[in-house]
Amino acid sequence: NAGVTQTPKFRVLKTGQSMTLLCAQDMNHEYMYWYRQDPGMGLRLIHYSVGEGTTAKGEVPDGYNVSRLKKQNFLLGLESAAPSQTSVYFCASSYDRRTTYNEQFFGPGTRLTVL
Amino acid sequence: DAKTTQPPSMDCAEGRAANLPCNHSTISGNEYVYWYRQIHSQGPQYIIHGLKNNETNEMASLIITEDRKSSTLILPHATLRDTAVYYCIVPMNRDDKIIFGKGTRLHILP
Repeated sequence: NAGVTQTPKFRVLKTGQSMTLLCAQDMNHEYMYWYRQDPGMGLRLIHYSVGEGTTAKGEVPDGYNVSRLKKQNFLLGLESAAPSQTSVYFCASSYDRRTTYNEQFFGPGTRLTVL
Repeated sequence: DAKTTQPPSMDCAEGRAANLPCNHSTISGNEYVYWYRQIHSQGPQYIIHGLKNNETNEMASLIITEDRKSSTLILPHATLRDTAVYYCIVPMNRDDKIIFGKGTRLHILP
């Protein structure tokens, strides 16, 4: 049971390049989330998904797109990277709102630098 | 939506109990209080959650006031490995979004 994994761990992009971050979970969780964390700041929610085939915007969605084609995977895309998107990106997953239990399990993070 | 207020930083001597306060004065009757922590450069880690009763697990205890407007996370015997940022969170009821504030940076002093 690997929990939540993220690929890649590190990446350096040039302004205008595109890339996709992959998050995978093996806990059969319904909900998945993408956060970003800038130095000295708390986590900010980018997008989230409440189930396969669904996505929704979080606090800071601009410049990002997401897809949840399979329940276990949640992809975060940057179509045209900007230096302001330099950050650490965390993925998380959680079970089911019907349990009223909202423990989120986090991945190890992806460190992205945009030059 | 309920919001939380935490002190930006605290110190605690190693081996002593660390008591981290959190104010959530606008919490609704059916909203839970969750605590997470983030050790440097790692993803946040769930610690504990509660509704109205005090809770204890292998990591910590959570004391919630009777009016539910504040809570305290207690690490009974703090070690250097407990140095981290601690987040008190009350998720919005409409959906499962969790809003992380800046948390409390806990320094354990040897």
